[in-house]
Amino acid sequence: QSVLTQPPSASGTPGQRVTISCSGSSSNIGSNTVNWYQQLPGTAPKLLIYSNNQRPSGVPDRFSGSKSGTSASLAISGLQSEDEADYYCAAWDDSLNGGVFGGGTKLTVL
Amino acid sequence: EVQLVESGGGLVQPGRSLRLSCAASGFTFDDYAMHWVRQAPGKGLEWVSGISWNSGSIGYADSVKGRFTISRDNAKNSLYLQMNSLRAEDTALYYCAKSGSYYLSWFDPWGQGTLVTVSS
Repeated sequence: QSVLTQPPSASGTPGQRVTISCSGSSSNIGSNTVNWYQQLPGTAPKLLIYSNNQRPSGVPDRFSGSKSGTSASLAISGLQSEDEADYYCAAWDDSLNGGVFGGGTKLTVL
Repeated sequence: EVQLVESGGGLVQPGRSLRLSCAASGFTFDDYAMHWVRQAPGKGLEWVSGISWNSGSIGYADSVKGRFTISRDNAKNSLYLQMNSLRAEDTALYYCAKSGSYYLSWFDPWGQGTLVTVSS
């Protein structure tokens, strides 16, 4: 059971907008920033969003992040087939004194 | 280009030990904290351990506390994970990751991982 809660799956058609939620608590998302990672099949995870809503260089602006209270979300607009991947949210947890991840959301592009 | 290359994984019997290494290049290693994150087969990501640039701050997941030890050698641009008393549930792909601007920040980039299999 992951500390952060994500839906196990999400889907959309090309061009559509999809959002993935991430729910936590006051000790993690409520008091720390949220980061998102994309893991394409058979590859290492890649940083997608950091500090709630910042995009690293090279990440398309189709990807955006937001946070409110103890929840966060990742939005992908103009969905493309190459966006099919697993997406993980992550944050630091002050109670556990360590990093915590969501269980991951498998995004399918129909 | 930042590169992280893990090594040291393999098949090990329960109760035995293994030491993972991560060779870093392409950045000033001793400016950054480093972390280990693992992924069991078909499962999600789990933070294992982190170490600040000067080893002054170290943290472990409860699942490995007392069994695993993280360390670094800034002169060799290398990160290590000493894993003792290994259990079947430690079977996973172990990733080395560079921290962001501060110890408790994001992980970027990640290495390709080294596979640890604990089985008799």
